[in-house]
Amino acid sequence: GAGVSQSPSNKVTEKGKDVELRCDPISGHTALYWYRQSLGQGLEFLIYFQGNSAPDKSGLPSDRFSAERTGGSVSTLTIQRTQQEDSAVYLCASSLTWNSPLHFGNGTRLTVT
Amino acid sequence: KQEVTQIPAALSVPEGENLVLNCSFTDSAIYNLQWFRQDPGKGLTSLLLIQSSQREQTSGRLNASLDKSSGRSTLYIAASQPGDSATYLCAVILRNAGNMLTFGGGTRLMVKP
Repeated sequence: GAGVSQSPSNKVTEKGKDVELRCDPISGHTALYWYRQSLGQGLEFLIYFQGNSAPDKSGLPSDRFSAERTGGSVSTLTIQRTQQEDSAVYLCASSLTWNSPLHFGNGTRLTVT
Repeated sequence: KQEVTQIPAALSVPEGENLVLNCSFTDSAIYNLQWFRQDPGKGLTSLLLIQSSQREQTSGRLNASLDKSSGRSTLYIAASQPGDSATYLCAVILRNAGNMLTFGGGTRLMVKP
């Protein structure tokens, strides 16, 4: 595909369940970001992958959140024991290099009931 | 800690008007500044990227300027159209923040026909 693809587009889960969110970046892009956008709020940085370097996890809000990027391509964001405050739109973005324009996916809207 | 502020938070203008959106940041040690557009329920679309060594970038009816010393950027939209209605966000990459983008809260623009 030509753009960043995220799946699922919508996810409703019960409090306490684990969820996995997937991001397929643009082929060849070395940088990949996860952001979170709560209703009416700005974008909150979660994690950043750059090539083979260790990821920048400084934005993860708690140890219930983790992410990996396999083979320098697909990334998965996992939230364990979901809480209602985790409800938000989770956005993934990739860029050719760290200093290039970011391309965003349409996001996954997560609702924790 | 870098703070990025966008004023106004919301703006409504009649079609055809030229307008300016403002972005300010507290730390001038940036690599680049990017302007994005976000339509409701969608991800972000990159509009313009200005490297720290540049003063402005243009794309069609859009012109973005950067004044690092004063910590400001403006996005100028000429001859606004109803299709320009969206939320516009600016973001900076700090030199000492591991290449993480820090976003402003956005300006919600409505162009009335």
